[in-house]
This record gives sequence, C-alpha cells and structure tokens, in this order.
Amino acid sequence: DAGVIQSPRHEVTEMGQEVTLRCKPISGHDYLFWYRQTMMRGLELLIYFNNNVPIDDSGMPEDRFSAKMPNASFSTLKIQPSEPRDSAVYFCASSRTGEAFFGQGTRLTVV
Amino acid sequence: AQSVTQPDIHITVSEGASLELRCNYSYGATPYLFWYVQSPGQGLQLLLKYFSGDTLVQGIKGFEAEFKRSQSSFNLRKPSVHWSDAAEYFCAVGAGEGNNDMRFGAGTRLTVKP
Repeated sequence: DAGVIQSPRHEVTEMGQEVTLRCKPISGHDYLFWYRQTMMRGLELLIYFNNNVPIDDSGMPEDRFSAKMPNASFSTLKIQPSEPRDSAVYFCASSRTGEAFFGQGTRLTVV
Repeated sequence: AQSVTQPDIHITVSEGASLELRCNYSYGATPYLFWYVQSPGQGLQLLLKYFSGDTLVQGIKGFEAEFKRSQSSFNLRKPSVHWSDAAEYFCAVGAGEGNNDMRFGAGTRLTVKP
C-alpha cells in the first residue's frame, strides 16, 4: 500500500480564497483523522471519521472549516474563506487497529 | 477526553549517550499509548505502541518505552543515541478498543551533539 496520500503538498493562496485539501487513506482503514500542526499550538485534532461518518468535530476552529468523507477512500478538508491564521501544516491520518498512519501533510500558506 | 503532557520542549544529548523522553497521560481507563517521530518536513512515523500485556515495549530504531500505570507515564528510552535520531518526538494517547480517538502531546525536540 502506498500509505496515506495527501494533496497538494504545498498550497499558497490569498486571503479570502477557498482552499481544499485532499486525503486518500490506507485501504481497509475505517478511521480517518484531520490534524493541524503549528508552532504555537502543536498538533491539534480537527475532526475524525469512522466508516465515513464524522464522529467528533469539536476541534474544527470555526464554521469556515468543513470536512467531508464521501466514501471510504477519499476525504476533503475545506477552508472558506481562508485567513492568514490558517497557515499551518495539515495532516491526514488513517487507522484500523488503533495506531494512526500519517500522510506527508499539506503545508498551507495564506497570504 | 484523554490528554498527554510532554514536560520537556527541547532536549540535547551527545551522540552515544542514553536518552529518556518523558510522557504523562490523563485517562480514566487503560489507554492505548504511542510514540511517534517526526523529521523536518515529514509526517509522523510510529515508533512503538502499547495496547496491553508486557509494560515494556520495543519499537523500531532501537527505541523502547515503559508503561507505568501508577505514574500515568509512558517514557521513551534509547540506550545510545545516533545523530540521525535528531527529530521531534510525540507521545499520544488513544481511548482504547472501539474508539480510535487519539490525542498528542506538544512534542519534544531532540538535538544530538556530535
């Protein structure tokens, strides 16, 4: 398996624009997580899904953030409109038996 | 929800010296515990995990960790550090079987001196 695949690896966008981050989990994994990593706040859990259903989205910062998982092999994290304070590395991870496997992350810069 | 504390933000050790990174967790039941390593610009890689059984667990790259329930700790150790071990290390706690919710500590950055 190729592991968790995230795209794009880097994204630079202007404030106010919509940003969509994509994730393909490892086949057979029934949990999917979205994390955000910044120097100030460390690694934060934003939302996680089980069998494509959102279980806990209490970490989503505000209504500008939304996440979907239309099927077992694809998830998106959308920010609309984006703001400079959203600049961070966003990680997707998937798991089946407890340990999470991480993608390489998407480095988002909002200018 | 469960939580993790890593008391040391940054640790510097000499190459060849031993290493111990501290991790304390908070959770009402028996947790799942993990250590991950992150090299610059990379994702997190699992070093080792504890679910149940033997409280001393062995991981990759020569690392081990010991679960001490009485101290709510899961410290990571390595007897002899290599320069390539320089990275950020994260302790994580999961809620256990049937619930894969995982929370991470703030991380400890390891610098290795030649």
